[in-house]
Amino acid sequence: SAVISQKPSRDICQRGTSLTIQCQVDSQVTMMFWYRQQPGQSLTLIATANQGSEATYESGFVIDKFPISRPNLTFSTLTVSNLSPEDSSIYLCSVAGVMNTEAFFGQGTRLTVV
Amino acid sequence: GIQVEQSPPDLILQEGANSTLRCNFSDSVNNLQWFHQNPWGQLINLFYIPSGTKQNGRLSATTVATERYSLLYISSSQTTDSGVYFCAVGHNAGNNRKLIWGLGTSLAVNP
Repeated sequence: SAVISQKPSRDICQRGTSLTIQCQVDSQVTMMFWYRQQPGQSLTLIATANQGSEATYESGFVIDKFPISRPNLTFSTLTVSNLSPEDSSIYLCSVAGVMNTEAFFGQGTRLTVV
Repeated sequence: GIQVEQSPPDLILQEGANSTLRCNFSDSVNNLQWFHQNPWGQLINLFYIPSGTKQNGRLSATTVATERYSLLYISSSQTTDSGVYFCAVGHNAGNNRKLIWGLGTSLAVNP
């Protein structure tokens, strides 16, 4: 299993600012995933981040709002830009295994925009 | 795309009771996982179970892939079992590792 460290665990931000979330994995992984979970809802995939290439965004998510970096095989960042109260959510990073595809998650970042 | 339905959406138990949560999916999958999200938002892996039966303490899960459903059993429930239980499936091919998520079952265990 993979151990994923995600930070910050929570933050309160002013509208119009940005928040960058970091995700560190204890082993090299090909694919990392970023999810959003709005209050009381299920998880929605934002994008898939592969090392050495641009992230692949899901419908409804754009790079200008959610820029992602993936500088190496153990680290990724997600920035949520130009924050509005609608961005208040839990953001989670995830990795998938290579052999059996089991997914593992970081602790999540609880963002509140005021 | 694959649809995932979980039932019941909400469940209230007295401590010590048993329960069964269900996950139906609309297409063949080669990845199925059960997660518990605690009140702090952390997702905890319970089972990776694309087929067959597994047990871990008071929890067990069975997936019948040919009939496209999975069951999560919780026995002798405890207050710490409270939270949301999610089923997520994937039909992984090549570099596709996407998970499709159900809406979850919200469980409250009362002392």
